Amino acid sequence: AQSVTQLDSQVPVFEEAPVELRCNYSSSVSVYLFWYVQYPNQGLQLLLKYLSGSTLVESINGFEAEFNKSQTSFHLRKPSVHISDTAEYFCAVSENKGNKLTFGGGTRVLVKP
Amino acid sequence: KAGVTQTPRYLIKTRGQQVTLSCSPISGHRSVSWYQQTPGQGLQFLFEYFSETQRNKGNFPGRFSGRQFSNSRSEMNVSTLELGDSALYLCATSRSSGSGNEQFFGPGTRLTVL
Repeated sequence: AQSVTQLDSQVPVFEEAPVELRCNYSSSVSVYLFWYVQYPNQGLQLLLKYLSGSTLVESINGFEAEFNKSQTSFHLRKPSVHISDTAEYFCAVSENKGNKLTFGGGTRVLVKP
Repeated sequence: KAGVTQTPRYLIKTRGQQVTLSCSPISGHRSVSWYQQTPGQGLQFLFEYFSETQRNKGNFPGRFSGRQFSNSRSEMNVSTLELGDSALYLCATSRSSGSGNEQFFGPGTRLTVL
C-alpha cells in the first residue's frame, strides 16, 4: 500500500527567507505526485503536480518541487516566502486507482515578519 | 465559473443520529471524491463516484455511504454517528476519473458530534 510521509509537522520561517518542505512516499508502482495548500477555514488548492517528463515542476506563485525517483521524494521549495504563504501544505500521491489521493500528515508553515 | 459547493458548511449532531452532506461539482465535472479531515488521522479518502457508480472506497465502516445523481451532485451519509466522526468533510471534483487529474476541493462541511 502506498504511504506519504511529511517529515516536518511545523516549519517557522522568516519573511523573504527560503523554505523547504520534505515529502517522501512509498509505493510499489509508478505514482503521480501533488502538493496542495490549505489556508485557514478553506478547502485544499492544488499547488503543483508531477505526472511525467521534467522532474522539476513549478507553480505560478514561486513554489517548485523536484521528483526524485531513487529517493522516492517530492520536496517543495520556495526561495523567498511571503506572509501570505502562511498555510498548511499537503503532499499527496495517486496510484492509478481513479482519483484516490493518499495524503501526508501536512506541514504547517508560519511565516514571521 | 462557480467552484465546488458543499452544504451545509457547519453541522452539529448528537451521537446516534445520522447526517447527510451534499456536494455540487463544478459544471462538467463528473467525478466526486470525499475525504475526512481530522487532527489525529489527517486527510483520509472515503470514496469516489463517477457517472453514478462508486469507483473506489477507502477503509471506513459501512456507516459511511454515498451516492451520486445524474447531474453529478453527490451526497454522503453517516449513520449512527459517533464522537469520532467529528471532522471536516471535503469533497473534490474533476472532469474524469483517472490518476493525475486535477481535482478541485470544496470548502468542506464541519461536522461536530456531541
